[in-house]
Amino acid sequence: DTAVSQTPKYLVTQMGNDKSIKCEQNLGHDTMYWYKQDSKKFLKIMFSYNNKELIINETVPNRFSPKSPDKAHLNLHINSLELGDSAVYFCASSQGFEQFFGPGTRLTVL
Amino acid sequence: AQSVTQLDSQVPVFEEAPVELRCNYSSSVSVYLFWYVQYPNQGLQLLLKYLSGSTLVESINGFEAEFNKSQTSFHLRKPSVHISDTAEYFCAVSDQGFGNEKLTFGTGTRLTIIP
Repeated sequence: DTAVSQTPKYLVTQMGNDKSIKCEQNLGHDTMYWYKQDSKKFLKIMFSYNNKELIINETVPNRFSPKSPDKAHLNLHINSLELGDSAVYFCASSQGFEQFFGPGTRLTVL
Repeated sequence: AQSVTQLDSQVPVFEEAPVELRCNYSSSVSVYLFWYVQYPNQGLQLLLKYLSGSTLVESINGFEAEFNKSQTSFHLRKPSVHISDTAEYFCAVSDQGFGNEKLTFGTGTRLTIIP
């Protein structure tokens, strides 16, 4: 009965590779988000989608491309990974002002 | 633009002692306020929220926070902490405009309970 799920939980990869993180919510929410949490635990929004449409893009490098095949899914594809992309990425969903977060994906770029 | 300041990055507290985690915000519009908790190696969970009404809001596990508009604060308090309260606590704001419900987070406060 997981509300917001993400896969994979851990991702270790080499610089320059391309990788994807998947997110699914079963709450029936219209809005989904991606957040990045850096090594100092600082959380910052990256993207927001409402009903499969991009609403917020917070000056994220265009190596990051979100894709929403339907309103229950929001995937994050990252091209040409860099060391600075190492972080924990959280997916969230909301209907209104309360956001529900997934368990996070810890990405390590070597 | 909004910002959130959590002045204390780390707060050690003895078990059963009271605690206050401070949060101040800055915004040119009306906001909603939230406290999220992150237990070690887990995602964020909503602890409590202020949307409207009573300025004092409570959680089911004994935490409370008070919205103070004049001081632009939303401090989190608990009268008696437990070992299980050890976690990272994040204050966040969202402006009240529909279509822009992004959360702006503070830098977090690590609460460590000392037995």
